[in-house]
Amino acid sequence: EPEVTQTPSHQVTQMGQEVILRCVPISNHLYFYWYRQILGQKVEFLVSFYNNEISEKSEIFDDQFSVERPDGSNFTLKIRSTKLEDSAMYFCASLSGANYNEQFFGPGTRLTVL
Amino acid sequence: RKEVEQDPGPFNVPEGATVAFNCTYSNSASQSFFWYRQDCRKEPKLLMSVYSSGNEDGRFTAQLNRASQYISLLIRDSKLSDSATYLCVVTVTGYALNFGKGTSLLVTP
Repeated sequence: EPEVTQTPSHQVTQMGQEVILRCVPISNHLYFYWYRQILGQKVEFLVSFYNNEISEKSEIFDDQFSVERPDGSNFTLKIRSTKLEDSAMYFCASLSGANYNEQFFGPGTRLTVL
Repeated sequence: RKEVEQDPGPFNVPEGATVAFNCTYSNSASQSFFWYRQDCRKEPKLLMSVYSSGNEDGRFTAQLNRASQYISLLIRDSKLSDSATYLCVVTVTGYALNFGKGTSLLVTP
C-alpha cells in the first residue's frame, strides 16, 4: 500500500540552526501539507501546498518557515533559525485530490531543539 | 475559545463495552468533519468521515448535528486494539485540518 515517508525520524539541533525536514508524498497525490504536534498538545496545521505554491498557511508558519518541492517526489519544510519552542513532531500529509476526504499522514519527524 | 473541543478523558472501559465520544466546533462555516485515530507517538490515521445523515462502519458510528455544531463517535463492542486517542477534526477550507486535542480511550481486559 502506498504511504507517505519522512526523514529523518528524529532530528536534534542547536537553537539558531537551520533544519530541513523531508517528506516523500504518495506518488500520484497533488496536495501536500505540514502539521506539527508539540508534546501533549493537539495537531496543528502549518501549511498546504498545491501546484508548486502555498495555498494556505497558519499563523504559526511565519518567515522562519519555508516549503519547497524541489523535484517530482520530495516535499521539504525548512526552519531557518530554530527556537526551543519549535521542538515538536512534524507530520507531512498528502491528498490525492480525487478522494477529497482522506489526507494520508507520514510517520513524522521528531525535532528536538536544544 | 477553542475551535474544536473534546473531553480529554481518559475513558477506561472493559472489553465489549460501548463508549461514546463528543466534540463541538465553533466555526459554523465548517464544511467537512472527520474522526481520526492516533496511537501513542504515531501519526493520525483517518477512522471515518462524518456526514449529516450519520454513517456507520462496522462497530463505529458517527453523527453530525450542524445546528448544534456537535459531532459524536460511538464504538460498540470495544476491543483492546481500540485503545488510542480519538481526534475530532473539522475543516473550513476543505484542506487545512483543524484538530481537537483528542479523547483518550483505554480498553481493559
